Amino acid sequence: AQSVTQLGSHVSVSEGALVLLRCNYSSSVPPYLFWYVQYPNQGLQLLLKYTTGATLVKGINGFEAEFKKSETSFHLTKPSAHMSDAAEYFCAVSDRFTGGGNKLTFGTGTQLKVEL
Amino acid sequence: EPEVTQTPSHQVTQMGQEVILRCVPISNHLYFYWYRQILGQKVEFLVSFYNNEISEKSEIFDDQFSVERPDGSNFTLKIRSTKLEDSAMYFCASSEEGTSNSPLHFGNGTRLTVT
Repeated sequence: AQSVTQLGSHVSVSEGALVLLRCNYSSSVPPYLFWYVQYPNQGLQLLLKYTTGATLVKGINGFEAEFKKSETSFHLTKPSAHMSDAAEYFCAVSDRFTGGGNKLTFGTGTQLKVEL
Repeated sequence: EPEVTQTPSHQVTQMGQEVILRCVPISNHLYFYWYRQILGQKVEFLVSFYNNEISEKSEIFDDQFSVERPDGSNFTLKIRSTKLEDSAMYFCASSEEGTSNSPLHFGNGTRLTVT
C-alpha cells in the first residue's frame, strides 16, 4: 500500500524567503507524484506533477519539485515566497499501474504561512 | 477556465437522515470522483466513476453510500442514513482521462455537518 508523509503540518516563512515543503512517499514502485494547493474556501488545485522524464518539474506560481528516487522524496520549493502563497499544500501519489481513474493517496497537508 | 461546481457549500443534517451532495463536473471529462476530508485528517478517496459504473471504491464507501449520474451533467453522492462520523468536507473531482497520471480537477467542496 502506498503512503505519503509530509513533515511539518505548519511552515512559516518570511516574504521573499525560500519555501521548502517536504514530502516523502512509500511505495513498492515509484508512483506518480503530485502537489496540490488549497486556498481558503476553495478546492484543491494542481500545482505540478511528476510522471516520467526530467526529475525536476516546474509548476504554476513559480513552484517546482524534484523527484529523488533514492530518497523517495518529492519536496516542493519556491525561491521567493509571496504573501499570496499562504495556503495549504498537499502532496499526493497514485499507482502507475492502475486504470479506471486516478485514485490519489494524500499526505496530511502543510499549512504555509508567509509573514512580512 | 472550466471548473467543477459543488452544491451546497454547507449542509447540516440530523443523524439518520439521508443527504445528497451534488456536483457538476467539467463537461468534457469522463471520470468522476468523490473524496472527503474529516477535519484535521487526510483527504481520502471514496469512489471513482466511469461510464455509469463505479470503477473503484474504498473501504469507507460502504452500503450507506451511493453515487449516480442522473443526467448528462450532474454527479451525486448520497448518504442514506448519516452518522456523526460522516461529518467532513466532501470534494468532487473529475478528470479527462482515466490514467493514474491524469490530473484531477476538484470542486470547492461541500462541508457536511451531522448533528
